[in-house]
Amino acid sequence: DAGVTQSPTHLIKTRGQQVTLRCSPKSGHDTVSWYQQALGQGPQFIFQYYEEEERQRGNFPDRFSGHQFPNYSSELNVNALLLGDSALYLCASSGGLAVSYEQYFGPGTRLTVT
Amino acid sequence: AQRVTQPEKLLSVFKGAPVELKCNYSYSGSPELFWYVQYSRQRLQLLLRHISRESIKGFTADLNKGETSFHLKKPFAQEEDSAMYYCALPQGSRLTFGEGTQLTVNP
Repeated sequence: DAGVTQSPTHLIKTRGQQVTLRCSPKSGHDTVSWYQQALGQGPQFIFQYYEEEERQRGNFPDRFSGHQFPNYSSELNVNALLLGDSALYLCASSGGLAVSYEQYFGPGTRLTVT
Repeated sequence: AQRVTQPEKLLSVFKGAPVELKCNYSYSGSPELFWYVQYSRQRLQLLLRHISRESIKGFTADLNKGETSFHLKKPFAQEEDSAMYYCALPQGSRLTFGEGTQLTVNP
């Protein structure tokens, strides 16, 4: 099991463009969460998907949207990119919504907005 | 709103010395708390959770509700402990992270 995988590894976009990031959860996991990690900061929760629905959302604008597919993989979409969206985007998967389920993190996608 | 504070961005100790990484939280309720670690060129991973009350790689952490703290301690630091450490507070499976402490253990 490769664990949580994310693609692409790195991405460079221009301000105003749109971007899609992808995540495949660890085998057997059905819950996917997305985090944004700016340089020198801890990860910040964006949103979480379970049973193809957004279950929780952090303090991020509507420009950030997502989707979960029947195979539990997930996408994060960001529209109208701003320079401040430059960050490492982390995907985490777990076996459910309860706090008792350990979250496993992917390697991240490094997004640079110029 | 719940919040996690790690007051030290950088911490440097010598091998064999005790180490303590500080974490303070604000939460209205009975919290569950975690420590995550990220070694160089590796993924963020769970180190320990307070509810399990176990020692992982020689690290322990005690929840002090009076001081709203969850400091991570190890009596004798090793060079392989050098890493970024994050304290995290869950709401369900949503995690609120502190800003992290970069620990360097010098030979």
